[in-house]
Amino acid sequence: KQEVTQIPAALSVPEGENLVLNCSFTDSAIYNLQWFRQDPGKGLTSLLLIQSSQREQTSGRLNASLDKSSGRSTLYIAASQPGDSATYLCAGQGGSEKLVFGKGTKLTVNP
Amino acid sequence: NAGVMQNPRHLVRRRGQEARLRCSPMKGHSHVYWYRQLPEEGLKFMVYLQKENIIDESGMPKERFSAEFPKEGPSILRIQQVVRGDSAAYFCASSPKGLGAEAFFGQGTRLTVV
Repeated sequence: KQEVTQIPAALSVPEGENLVLNCSFTDSAIYNLQWFRQDPGKGLTSLLLIQSSQREQTSGRLNASLDKSSGRSTLYIAASQPGDSATYLCAGQGGSEKLVFGKGTKLTVNP
Repeated sequence: NAGVMQNPRHLVRRRGQEARLRCSPMKGHSHVYWYRQLPEEGLKFMVYLQKENIIDESGMPKERFSAEFPKEGPSILRIQQVVRGDSAAYFCASSPKGLGAEAFFGQGTRLTVV
């Protein structure tokens, strides 16, 4: 049974700092891993999708990596901005089509 | 190309009433998923449907909950005889295929049972 853990649960950084969010999963037979952003009271916005055959994906200031052997994924945010403040969720798709979510990391970027 | 559309955005029901949540997937997407987010909890999978078929309902409570995705029209998540514990945000996602495809989420329906 796939379980996804995100550490830390909350993170507060000053504007401009580079930061890394961590995601770990228990079943290395993962098909893909997806990172989302959720603003308070809103839906989920897909940020990056990494297929199992890939090691990383980049979009603008975001870079996500996937290491199946260690059961870890990271989301790197460069030059953080107050607008990046949100909850970041990672979710893995394993042997079935459903996504298994972590509980998220709540990020606050202080001006 | 509109995103995943869910309605209503907010729904208030009294205990014992029925709640109907609707989800229109993105154009060209035939795979629909429903997830529930309880306060302070992560998103939990409920059900996966393709047109006219329930593929995986392993996350659905055994009673009072049902889902459908008819040939025409939106997917419906139906909760009968709601209880306070059903209060949550319900999210729908769609994708163009199942395994390996990027999932796109709607804005959710926030159900409050009073």
